[in-house]
Amino acid sequence: DTGVSQNPRHKITKRGQNVTFRCDPISEHNRLYWYRQTLGQGPEFLTYFQNEAQLEKSRLLSDRFSAERPKGSFSTLEIQRTEQGDSAMYLCASSQGQMNTEAFFGQGTRLTVV
Amino acid sequence: GNSVTQMEGPVTLSEEAFLTINCTYTATGYPSLFWYVQYPGEGLQLLLKATKADDKGSNKGFEATYRKETTSFHLEKGSVQVSDSAVYFCALPSETSYDKVIFGPGTSLSVIP
Repeated sequence: DTGVSQNPRHKITKRGQNVTFRCDPISEHNRLYWYRQTLGQGPEFLTYFQNEAQLEKSRLLSDRFSAERPKGSFSTLEIQRTEQGDSAMYLCASSQGQMNTEAFFGQGTRLTVV
Repeated sequence: GNSVTQMEGPVTLSEEAFLTINCTYTATGYPSLFWYVQYPGEGLQLLLKATKADDKGSNKGFEATYRKETTSFHLEKGSVQVSDSAVYFCALPSETSYDKVIFGPGTSLSVIP
């Protein structure tokens, strides 16, 4: 297992378009997390899953954002009608158990909305 | 709610210098405290953690002691190397969920030969 994998690594899109990112966690990990990181800031929690169940969503996750983890394995994060303020690095992490044990992060997907 | 404050960067040190990156926290109770590191081009990694007051977390020559009297968790290393150049994040769980980690803004460290 090569760790948490995120695709694509970079995405440039025009304002108003929809984008989808994928995260493949470490295979035996039951928890998967999405964070967003803007330049000069620490990551901000968006949502997390235990297996296929989405257990918590941040107020940062507006109606334009949706995340799924259909079979408890990979996850997708979709942003509809992108806005320039959505430009950020989107990070995925996975863990076996709670995040305060140890979570492993992917390299992130950098989204630029032009 | 729970939060952390970190010293602002960037920090530039010469190789073999002593490093301190300050972190203070505000929390309900005594949650675990973490330091994460992000090397250039790589994902965030857990560097060390402490789960209760007076605990010392250590890894790769870095140390941090959980001090409840001063609500601090300062990161230290006695002799930095060029390979330590990275962004360091202090973090703790939210007051409502251990699965939701709150990160500080990060401190960028550059070590020059």
